[in-house]
Amino acid sequence: EIVMTQSPATLSVSPGERATLSCRASQSVSSNLAWYQQKPGQAPRLLIYGASTRATGIPARFSGSGSGTEFTLTISSLQSEDFAVYYCQQYNNWPYMYTFGQGTKLEIK
Amino acid sequence: EVQLVQSGAEVKKPGESLKISCKGSGYSFTSYWIGWVRQMPGKGLEWMGIIYPGDSDTRYSPSFQGQVTISADKSISTAYLQWSSLKASDTAMYYCARLGSSQLGDAFDIWGQGTMVTVSS
Repeated sequence: EIVMTQSPATLSVSPGERATLSCRASQSVSSNLAWYQQKPGQAPRLLIYGASTRATGIPARFSGSGSGTEFTLTISSLQSEDFAVYYCQQYNNWPYMYTFGQGTKLEIK
Repeated sequence: EVQLVQSGAEVKKPGESLKISCKGSGYSFTSYWIGWVRQMPGKGLEWMGIIYPGDSDTRYSPSFQGQVTISADKSISTAYLQWSSLKASDTAMYYCARLGSSQLGDAFDIWGQGTMVTVSS
C-alpha cells in the first residue's frame, strides 16, 4: 500500500506571506500527483494536477512542483480565502489508486 | 455548467440498508469515471471506489471491497453508492467526484456537494 505523508500537519502563516506545503510518497508516483483545497463545510476543490498544472480557474499564486516521491505546493502571497486544509493525492499505483495524504491545515498567524 | 448533485442527508439505524446518489449534468456522463470518497467526522479523505458509467466497469479500493457497492444508471446520468447493512462506523460525509478524463490515471476535477450519512441507534 502506498502511503502519502504531508507536512507539517498545521502551518501558521500571515496574510501576504508565502506558504510551502510538502507531500511525500512512500514509493514513486511519477508526476501523478494532485493537490486539493477544502474549506469548512465545503467539498474539496482541485488546485493542481500532474504535480504542477493548475486546474481551471486556479489563481497563479498557487504552484506545484516535484516528481517521484517529493512534492511541494507553494502559495506565493496568502490571501484570506486561502486558509483551509490542503490534501495531496496520488493517482499512479493500483490497487491503492487515488490515495490521499492526511492533510495540512493552513491557518492564519 | 458541469456539476454533480448528490442526494440529501440520511439518518439510519445500524443494520439498515442505504443507497445514495450522484447525478451528473453539463457533460457526457458516460465518458468520465465517477469516484466515491469518504470523509469521517474531522478526518481526511479516503477513496472508496470508481465506476465508468459507459460500461459499468467498477474498481474498489481494497479497504472498501465487499463493504459497499457502486453502480450507475447511464440512462439518468446517475451513480450510486450503497450499503446492505450499515454500521455506526459508516457515519461520514460521502462525496462523488469526476475524473478529469476518460483515463483512470487522472485527478478528480469536479466534486459533488457531499451526502452526510449518520448511523445511530
